[in-house]
Amino acid sequence: DAGVTQSPTHLIKTRGQQVTLRCSPKSGHDTVSWYQQALGQGPQFIFQYYEEEERQRGNFPDRFSGHQFPNYSSELNVNALLLGDSALYLCASSLAPGEAFFGQGTRLTVV
Amino acid sequence: AQSVTQPDIHITVSEGASLELRCNYSYGATPYLFWYVQSPGQGLQLLLKYFSGDTLVQGIKGFEAEFKRSQSSFNLRKPSVHWSDAAEYFCAVGAFSGNTGKLIFGQGTTLQVKP
Repeated sequence: DAGVTQSPTHLIKTRGQQVTLRCSPKSGHDTVSWYQQALGQGPQFIFQYYEEEERQRGNFPDRFSGHQFPNYSSELNVNALLLGDSALYLCASSLAPGEAFFGQGTRLTVV
Repeated sequence: AQSVTQPDIHITVSEGASLELRCNYSYGATPYLFWYVQSPGQGLQLLLKYFSGDTLVQGIKGFEAEFKRSQSSFNLRKPSVHWSDAAEYFCAVGAFSGNTGKLIFGQGTTLQVKP
């Protein structure tokens, strides 16, 4: 079992651009959550997907959107990138609340 | 509001010494509590969790944590620290409702281990 895999591992984008991050959940897991971890901070919840629908959303602007595919994999899209969007983006998959497994993350740098 | 506070931003201990990392939470209902560890450039690994029952929970890598409802605390302990324990440690509370939910993390504590 490969666990939760995220791609790419690192990414550099320019302000105003758009970015797509990808996540493949652990085998058998049907729920995917995304977190943003700014430097020196704890992860902050962005949103959660289950059965291809956004089930819960944190305090993030509409520039942050997502999608879940029938195979449970997920994408995080961020439009109109700001310097403040630079962070480690973590994907977590689970089959039940409290059983989250995290991926290694995607380090996004906005210049 | 639900929140987690880790009062110590940075802790340094000598190898072989005991360790206690503090965590205080604010949550209206029965809390689901977690400790995660993050090595540089890595994702989060679950050390242990508390849902109910025995308030002293054992985790991986020799870690344990004690839930104290009266103090709203869930402190992480290890009797003898190894150099490989140097990492960032995060306490989290689970805000769950039915089949959905999120983790609310503290700001983290950086552990440095002196040889």
